[in-house]
Parts: sequence; C-alpha cells; structure tokens
Amino acid sequence: AQSVAQPEDQVNVAEGNPLTVKCTYSVSGNPYLFWYVQYPNRGLQFLLKYITGDNLVKGSYGFEAEFNKSQTSFHLKKPSALVSDSALYFCAVLRGAGSSNTGKLIFGQGTTLQVKP
Amino acid sequence: NAGVTQTPKFRILKIGQSMTLQCAQDMNHNYMYWYRQDPGMGLKLIYYSVGAGITDKGEVPNGYNVSRSTTEDFPLRLELAAPSQTSVYFCASSYIAGGLPGTQYFGPGTRLLVL
Repeated sequence: AQSVAQPEDQVNVAEGNPLTVKCTYSVSGNPYLFWYVQYPNRGLQFLLKYITGDNLVKGSYGFEAEFNKSQTSFHLKKPSALVSDSALYFCAVLRGAGSSNTGKLIFGQGTTLQVKP
Repeated sequence: NAGVTQTPKFRILKIGQSMTLQCAQDMNHNYMYWYRQDPGMGLKLIYYSVGAGITDKGEVPNGYNVSRSTTEDFPLRLELAAPSQTSVYFCASSYIAGGLPGTQYFGPGTRLLVL
C-alpha cells in the first residue's frame, strides 16, 4: 500500500538557522512527491514537487527538497528560517501514475514548524 | 484569476440537516477534488472528478455526494449531517494530461460544525 509518513509532529527552530521537515514514503513504481504549506485558517499552498530529474528540487519562498530514492525520503529544507515560515507542512505522494494517473494524493499527517525569533 | 473559491467559509448544522458546499475554479482544470481535514490526520479524499459528468469515490465517501455538471463547478452535498462530519473541507483542482501529474491548487476551505 502506498503511504507517506511525517515522523515529527512539530519542529522548532530559531530564526536564521537551517530547517528540515522530514518525509518518508512507500510507493510502488516511480514516486511523484509534493510539499504543501498551510497557514492558519487558510487553504494549502503548493511549495514544490519532484517528478523526475535532479534530486534537489527548488520551490517557493526559498524552500527546497531532497529526493533520496535509497532512503525513500523527501525532506523539506531551507537554509535560513524566518518567523513567517511558521506553519503546518504537508508531504504528499501521488497515488498511481502514468495512464492510471488521476492525481489522487496521499497526504502525511502534517508537521507544525515553529520558528522562534 | 480567482483560482479555487469555496462557499460558505463557516457553517453550523444540526444533526440530520443537509447542505451543499460550493466549489468553483476558473483555471479550466479538468480534475477537481474534495478533501476533509481533521486534526492530526492530514487530508482525506472524499470524491474526485476527472471532467464534467464524471465523478468517483475517494477514501471516505460515505455520507457525501457530488456532481459535476460543468468544468468550473464541483459541489459537495451532505444529505444527513452527523457529528462525525464536523471537519474542514477543502476543494482542489488540477490539470492532468498525458499521464503526467498535475499540481493541485486548493481553495480556502469551509469549516463545518455539526451539533
């Protein structure tokens, strides 16, 4: 069965320090992976995705993610955290691909990022 | 472009009442989705649509119905509201062609409380 896990409910980091939000996945076939961010009382905003190609994917707001096939991970990173990055982050994997692609996403349970001044 | 819009933003229902959550997109996306978000549970897919007139069940369809008469609109119907349907509901849309994965764009959500 395909699944996504975000092992940390919350990540705390000081402003200016690097941040990492972890995500591991289990899929059959090639993984298509996504990161979304949700600010309080808002919808999800797309950050970045991995489809194929370079293992390091760059996205919005200075975020990037590293795809590691051997470790089945897709960790979200940022070199220098901002207080405004504090939000709920979701990792997701596409259920099915190729001709069976219906775009259905499987979401992790979310990780709250708290950046302190 | 307004993107994906949802109405209402918040609603309180009594047990057994019915209501329709509205969703519209102006990006000419072919695929549309309804999710519910419960605390600590991520998002669960309720229903999705691959185009006008075509819908299918997701992971948690019980207690809900959908229709898609146009490309733009994808309403979600709750027929007999139950406390277990208290949640935040998100609509999303994407463009998928050639088997390649599209990016889903989300609406602002509808917060529903069933008492």
